[in-house]
Amino acid sequence: AQKVTQAQTEISVVEKEDVTLDCVYETRDTTYYLFWYKQPPSGELVFLIRRNSFDEQNEISGRYSWNFQKSTSSFNFTITASQVVDSAVYFCALSEGSTGNQFYFGTGTSLTVIP
Amino acid sequence: KAGVTQTPRYLIKTRGQQVTLSCSPISGHRSVSWYQQTPGQGLQFLFEYFSETQRNKGNFPGRFSGRQFSNSRSEMNVSTLELGDSALYLCASSLVPGEETQYFGPGTRLLVL
Repeated sequence: AQKVTQAQTEISVVEKEDVTLDCVYETRDTTYYLFWYKQPPSGELVFLIRRNSFDEQNEISGRYSWNFQKSTSSFNFTITASQVVDSAVYFCALSEGSTGNQFYFGTGTSLTVIP
Repeated sequence: KAGVTQTPRYLIKTRGQQVTLSCSPISGHRSVSWYQQTPGQGLQFLFEYFSETQRNKGNFPGRFSGRQFSNSRSEMNVSTLELGDSALYLCASSLVPGEETQYFGPGTRLLVL
């Protein structure tokens, strides 16, 4: 079974629109970490945000915000006022306390921002 | 501070050959992990090293191996290459295993003909 599910395969938005990327995870560990990474065409995974299982506080960092809800096992990521440079594949990842640095990645959501 | 570096960036090999990929972590980072990315299977964990010891291994055949040196640099080796080994191989480093954020390198694109 997939530990991380990103149901949205592709999303297209017009520049300046807000966009939310969905992520649902599955784990039995009580200690775990959730991440969002961005992968531009160059291939490098760029770290965006991270949350641990004990902190459900949702925050805003610039144009990025996230909604972490343990009750629904979701860790959604929102980009406000999208820009063309935001076009990339976005990955949600889970790291469990019992398996150290082993990341479980979702299948990614390809975001295209249309100028 | 320099990021994670991987060499080579691109590689073309033929079936049956072997290949060695190199990863230099961010200065001060002692944990290195490797991932394989393919269009069909997505991002999959290969293995993780810390203090020259393999701490964790993903579900890959024994043809895939790795090691870590005392300066935290890591290499991974794939022997008897198969067409299906064509992929982007990503290396990630963190200070220590577990709760730390992993930072990824640019990857090595391997094409097996």
